[in-house]
Amino acid sequence: EAQVTQNPRYLITVTGKKLTVTCSQNMNHEYMSWYRQDPGLGLRQIYYSMNVEVTDKGDVPEGYKVSRKEKRNFPLILESPSPNQTSLYFCASSPAGGNTGELFFGEGSRLTVL
Amino acid sequence: GDSVTQMEGPVTLSEEAFLTINCTYTATGYPSLFWYVQYPGEGLQLLLKATKADDKGSNKGFEATYRKETTSFHLEKGSVQVSDSAVYFCALRSYGGSQGNLIFGKGTKLSVKP
Repeated sequence: EAQVTQNPRYLITVTGKKLTVTCSQNMNHEYMSWYRQDPGLGLRQIYYSMNVEVTDKGDVPEGYKVSRKEKRNFPLILESPSPNQTSLYFCASSPAGGNTGELFFGEGSRLTVL
Repeated sequence: GDSVTQMEGPVTLSEEAFLTINCTYTATGYPSLFWYVQYPGEGLQLLLKATKADDKGSNKGFEATYRKETTSFHLEKGSVQVSDSAVYFCALRSYGGSQGNLIFGKGTKLSVKP
């Protein structure tokens, strides 16, 4: 089954404790992206990647890091989480470099930073 | 910059009622327009899209027409079902923005009562 898989789905952590949210897709998509969803703000792009070893900042990259060592994986790293990073995070992938506009989303990872 | 404005929810309808969710956009050039749907506990999935003026996107009984003169892409369905209860996001892909990025509206929550 074609899918984007995120882990963990739910996480409660404390300020400053490094964490990684993994994302994996099995559709051989070149393009991958991370979004955060907050009430009243919709979805905002954090980082994206056009292909392996190619990443770039989205609209709200502060406090996040990403890497793209393999085509299928695109982990989101919070080196020192803060409460304002409490949010619902979505990983997405797309064929054709994202040019189609059709994104395939994971089920989301709800992160709470205390 | 480019932006998407959706009617605020929540919208509550009875089964078989007519649905309209308004969406207007601001963009330079000729964006592609999308409606995504997010069912409870799931990630977003593409519902329909239109890539040029006067195009009509349709899927699962939902329709939206790309109106360049009014910069709108309103979502409609003639007879909603309980299973349509979800959050609906209007989005655009601007060719001036970061590659592959979609700009999302804030979402409209629809609840359909039996």
